[in-house]
Amino acid sequence: QSVLTQPPSVSGAPGQRVTISCTGSSSNIGAGLDVHWYLQLPGTAPKLLIYGNSNRPSGVPDRFSGSKSGTSASLAITGLQAEDEADYYCQSYDTRLSVGVFGGGTKLTVL
Amino acid sequence: QVQLVESGGGLVKPGGSLRLSCAASEFTFSDYYMSWIRQTPGKGLEWVAYLSGSATTIYYADSVKGRFTISRDNAKNSLYLQMNSLRAEDTAVYYCARGQKPFLRPVPSSYGLNLWGQGTKVTVSS
Repeated sequence: QSVLTQPPSVSGAPGQRVTISCTGSSSNIGAGLDVHWYLQLPGTAPKLLIYGNSNRPSGVPDRFSGSKSGTSASLAITGLQAEDEADYYCQSYDTRLSVGVFGGGTKLTVL
Repeated sequence: QVQLVESGGGLVKPGGSLRLSCAASEFTFSDYYMSWIRQTPGKGLEWVAYLSGSATTIYYADSVKGRFTISRDNAKNSLYLQMNSLRAEDTAVYYCARGQKPFLRPVPSSYGLNLWGQGTKVTVSS
């Protein structure tokens, strides 16, 4: 059971907008710790998609955006494309556990 | 190109040992904290250990403390993970990873991990 909770799966049709939630607690996201998002294609390593809650590394399309409020964070993907089909993970830090923590991952299916 | 390449994974019996290596290229390796992160189908992603550039700051997850040792050789641009007393639950793909900014701890951080190796698979089974 992960410290950060993500829905196991989400889906959307090409061109649509989807959001993936990441729910934490007062000892991680709610404590003001930053959230990062990673994309993982099958058989490959995670790739940084969003850092510091809402910042995109160079090369990441602006179709991807992140936000944070209270004890939760969200990743939004607009203009869904077939190539977006992957697993998505959120990551933060937990002050009670004193460890970096990941969400359990969300599998995005493009219908 | 800037990259990390892991090696050393394989099949090992419970109680056995294995040493993972991570070779870094095209960046000032000694300036960066480096991490080992593992991934299993059951437990997902878990931060195993990290080490500062000077090897003076070290973190271990409770699950590996006393059994695993993280180290680095800055002259060889290499990171290592010595794994002893291996258990079935250590079975995972092990990644080495680096943060975006030099000299900063990987967690807590405002920058995330922007460089990962391809991973090396460790299987602990009799």
